[in-house]
Amino acid sequence: DTEVTQTPKHLVMGMTNKKSLKCEQHMGHRAMYWYKQKAKKPPELMFVYSYEKLSINESVPSRFSPECPNSSLLNLHLHALQPEDSALYLCASSQPRDRFYGYTFGSGTRLTVV
Amino acid sequence: KNEVEQSPQNLTAQEGEFITINCSYSVGISALHWLQQHPGGGIVSLFMLSSGKKKHGRLIATINIQEKHSSLHITASHPRDSAVYICAVKTSGSRLTFGEGTQLTVNP
Repeated sequence: DTEVTQTPKHLVMGMTNKKSLKCEQHMGHRAMYWYKQKAKKPPELMFVYSYEKLSINESVPSRFSPECPNSSLLNLHLHALQPEDSALYLCASSQPRDRFYGYTFGSGTRLTVV
Repeated sequence: KNEVEQSPQNLTAQEGEFITINCSYSVGISALHWLQQHPGGGIVSLFMLSSGKKKHGRLIATINIQEKHSSLHITASHPRDSAVYICAVKTSGSRLTFGEGTQLTVNP
């Protein structure tokens, strides 16, 4: 299995809803990432988990809450989002501490906040 | 000035043409990635380079570490190559720094 699987592919949520995005990989990668991408812009790093521990939080608002329950799974819990949070959310994985190792990206979750 | 600069921002070509996209960076890197993103879609990693040249099918990527420059070439371009091509560099730790992307449109 050489894929990063993200679910759901599309999500529409109200500003008072609570929802979660899921990311799964079975490549044995021990670093997992959440990126946010707005239209016609490059991805922006949100969070990095390394060996299931949060290693980077790019000053992301607390309405986004990441979770890494095990080495294969990464969640992003969403609560009280704003319309400007509508974006493509991408998950990626790689091997930490291996500077020559590549990244594998998922196909993303298209989030619309109404 | 961005740490990773791509050119051109937009590129339109006719089917069959040879295409070059350029990437310059201003920081020390351990590796450079070329990524492809189709509209509304996820990102596919095309190449990871730390030196020299790599080839995969009609795609060729080169890097000159001394010049801090990389190029992505597409030979015999096809409409299905239409996508955004992103250059990203790996700096410290696990962090990737992305260029703004090049929107390529190949017309039949």
